[in-house]
Amino acid sequence: AQKITQTQPGMFVQEKEAVTLDCTYDTSDQSYGLFWYKQPSSGEMIFLIYQGSYDEQNATEGRYSLNFQKARKSANLVISASQLGDSAMYFCAMRELYTGTASKLTFGTGTRLQVTL
Amino acid sequence: DAGITQSPRYKITETGRQVTLMCHQTWSHSYMFWYRQDLGHGLRLIYYSAAADITDKGEVPDGYVVSRSKTENFPLTLESATRSQTSVYFCASASQGGGSNTQYFGPGTRLTVL
Repeated sequence: AQKITQTQPGMFVQEKEAVTLDCTYDTSDQSYGLFWYKQPSSGEMIFLIYQGSYDEQNATEGRYSLNFQKARKSANLVISASQLGDSAMYFCAMRELYTGTASKLTFGTGTRLQVTL
Repeated sequence: DAGITQSPRYKITETGRQVTLMCHQTWSHSYMFWYRQDLGHGLRLIYYSAAADITDKGEVPDGYVVSRSKTENFPLTLESATRSQTSVYFCASASQGGGSNTQYFGPGTRLTVL
């Protein structure tokens, strides 16, 4: 069974600073994908970034990067130059990659990030 | 604008009543999903569908029924609502079920069962 652990219920960061949100995972699968979603106070789930287990380079999308350490089974999200609009709940999720049918996303419990002036 | 929509956005009902939450997507995605979000649990999969007329259970299917007669619609029915089904419900869709394909989420429906 897959499991995602986000150990930081809440984080504070000052505007323009970088912040790292932790995510560790547990799986017996060799092929899997890791995702990060953002949920602002308005409630919608916004896809941020994806990392495949066989990707050699860490994924980056604008100010978001994923610090993928396969041996440690961690997939931390790094947000550079934080903005007030980054204040939100962040969820780490994973799923198997190569299954014959749709495979579910397993989510962590989330980290609430608050960006301060 | 195209995308994935859910209705209603907010619903209050009473224990024992039947409730149907609607989900509609305009991308012609094959896969659709229903999740519930509860504090301390993140999102958990209720049901998913690989195509019209193909559905399968997720992690927490008890008390829910789904159908998918058309590719674009994936309604979720609570046949006899219970207080434990008070939650925020998200519908999602994806062009493929696995791989790196991203699931895109609707805005959510906040359901309260009194």
